[in-house]
Amino acid sequence: EPEVTQTPSHQVTQMGQEVILRCVPISNHLYFYWYRQILGQKVEFLVSFYNNEISEKSEIFDDQFSVERPDGSNFTLKIRSTKLEDSAMYFCASSITPNTEAFFGQGTRLTVV
Amino acid sequence: GIQVEQSPPDLILQEGANSTLRCNFSDSVNNLQWFHQNPWGQLINLFYIPSGTKQNGRLSATTVATERYSLLYISSSQTTDSGVYFCAVGASGAGSYQLTFGKGTKLSVIP
Repeated sequence: EPEVTQTPSHQVTQMGQEVILRCVPISNHLYFYWYRQILGQKVEFLVSFYNNEISEKSEIFDDQFSVERPDGSNFTLKIRSTKLEDSAMYFCASSITPNTEAFFGQGTRLTVV
Repeated sequence: GIQVEQSPPDLILQEGANSTLRCNFSDSVNNLQWFHQNPWGQLINLFYIPSGTKQNGRLSATTVATERYSLLYISSSQTTDSGVYFCAVGASGAGSYQLTFGKGTKLSVIP
């Protein structure tokens, strides 16, 4: 069964460092998303991406964040100059269209120390 | 934006018992999904159900879109059902691509 895969599963980084979280969406899906979940809280939308550009972003997704589809399979989230409050589980998701079922990856747990 | 309320926030069940989890939302939706977050943090798709009723084994779900709520039924609960159950909705309207999640229902099934 096709699935969304994320790497790494866990990353520890020092405050101020840049991190890149990687995702391989399901191959025939056209819409890609990043969400985050701070420990013990609900899942929050960060950004959606379609046709090589951002289609929607939340107020959380400020200039510190960027997304890219560097090739035909990968989708990345870059966080510049990480802060302690960036510590969270980051989920990548994909769907065929915005109104169809979205499938989530297993998540990357980011810890900023 | 759209508001999503889930109830109850916490639920403790004896193994074998049945339960109903509720999700209320504040506006029209074109997408509604139920997820189970397991102890490792993974979000497992349970149902894609913007309207109607679906069943999958011991789990079933019903969404009444006109009344803005969805229900998730768990029958004959097992300890492996423990975890957090999230409802997530996609609001109707042009240009809306995101799912908005509720705060979840934490289910604990005890032997």
